[in-house]
Amino acid sequence: KNEVEQSPQNLTAQEGEFITINCSYSVGISALHWLQQHPGGGIVSLFMLSSGKKKHGRLIATINIQEKHSSLHITASHPRDSAVYICAAGFLSSGSARQLTFGSGTQLTVLP
Amino acid sequence: KAGVTQTPRYLIKTRGQQVTLSCSPISGHRSVSWYQQTPGQGLQFLFEYFSETQRNKGNFPGRFSGRQFSNSRSEMNVSTLELGDSALYLCASSFSEGQDTEAFFGQGTRLTVV
Repeated sequence: KNEVEQSPQNLTAQEGEFITINCSYSVGISALHWLQQHPGGGIVSLFMLSSGKKKHGRLIATINIQEKHSSLHITASHPRDSAVYICAAGFLSSGSARQLTFGSGTQLTVLP
Repeated sequence: KAGVTQTPRYLIKTRGQQVTLSCSPISGHRSVSWYQQTPGQGLQFLFEYFSETQRNKGNFPGRFSGRQFSNSRSEMNVSTLELGDSALYLCASSFSEGQDTEAFFGQGTRLTVV
């Protein structure tokens, strides 16, 4: 069964802290996506990765295919990073790369 | 370059009515996919279109349908609305349907069924 589990569900941090959000999935994937959703609903795609590690500014995403696990790290967190972070997997058994299975999301609040 | 545009942004409909939502992809993108987000079920895949053909459909009843036009714009339709159809509907566009192409999401249409 295609499943994605994300943790923690809620995370509160002080400005400047290093943050890690975890995502585990059940079976083989073609790609793992990290998304950011701000109040109001719009979603921004942060990373799409199928192996290794990607970095964009203060954001780093890693994936371990053997362990079926991915992490999103935020270095030097800032209040503007406050949002819901969602991981989504494109499973190999799905009909298409866009038939994503989503995690339940992590509500991140960064306090000044 | 304009992003993915969804219209309308907000919509209120009555049970039993039907609704049509629109998604204009980024220029040059030929793949459009639709997702439903509810507080109870989270984000779920609805369907994907590429070059005017439905490529895949999620586990939704037949009341949910869609289409894609020759200019890649897509519409989704929900008939005989139910209260449970209240949700944020998001579309995403990609240059191609391949697994190595990034998806760009729109701001969503928030549908409320009363």
